[in-house]
Amino acid sequence: SQQGEEDPQALSIQEGENATMNCSYKTSINNLQWYRQNSGRGLVHLILIRSNEREKHSGRLRVTLDTSKKSSSLLITASRAADTASYFCATSGTYKYIFGTGTRLKVLA
Amino acid sequence: DAGVIQSPRHEVTEMGQEVTLRCKPISGHDYLFWYRQTMMRGLELLIYFNNNVPIDDSGMPEDRFSAKMPNASFSTLKIQPSEPRDSAVYFCASSTSGIDEQFFGPGTRLTVL
Repeated sequence: SQQGEEDPQALSIQEGENATMNCSYKTSINNLQWYRQNSGRGLVHLILIRSNEREKHSGRLRVTLDTSKKSSSLLITASRAADTASYFCATSGTYKYIFGTGTRLKVLA
Repeated sequence: DAGVIQSPRHEVTEMGQEVTLRCKPISGHDYLFWYRQTMMRGLELLIYFNNNVPIDDSGMPEDRFSAKMPNASFSTLKIQPSEPRDSAVYFCASSTSGIDEQFFGPGTRLTVL
């Protein structure tokens, strides 16, 4: 299976701290995306990184991709209570995405 | 644009009944995806369409599940007959391509008693 596996499964931090979550996958990919899901809601796209990119930034988000290790990381800097959500990586082979198991992030005010 | 629209938002039914979930993708999006999310199995891709044509239905769990897309603005996912193990949140998503950002609907929470 191409499914990504996020690590850790759950993370609890204080507001203002940085949060790092990792994603590992098994097969070659075209690109990798990160999504956020608030409780009871649909997924919201955060950032896409292509297989030929190593790092990408968007606001307080920083994503890295290491295709040799088949892994990616998502860093959220200066976390806020509103960042509390589940975060999923999604890997793309050909014309569809396979979602990982997610990391549940809780940011304590 | 209102985003991806799904209906109903909640559905409670009894085992053996037919269930139909509906989705309206974002106008102009050529790809439509149906997902199922459970605590045990996470987010699973059931089927996706390109230009109203089913491309990959390998994720459809069994013959009780069927999906149609009669036109570019409407898709249905039908379960007949429903079983308690079908209880899950079903998401529809659309995209301009099969490999770029997907826009998710709010989901339908299905409970089969």
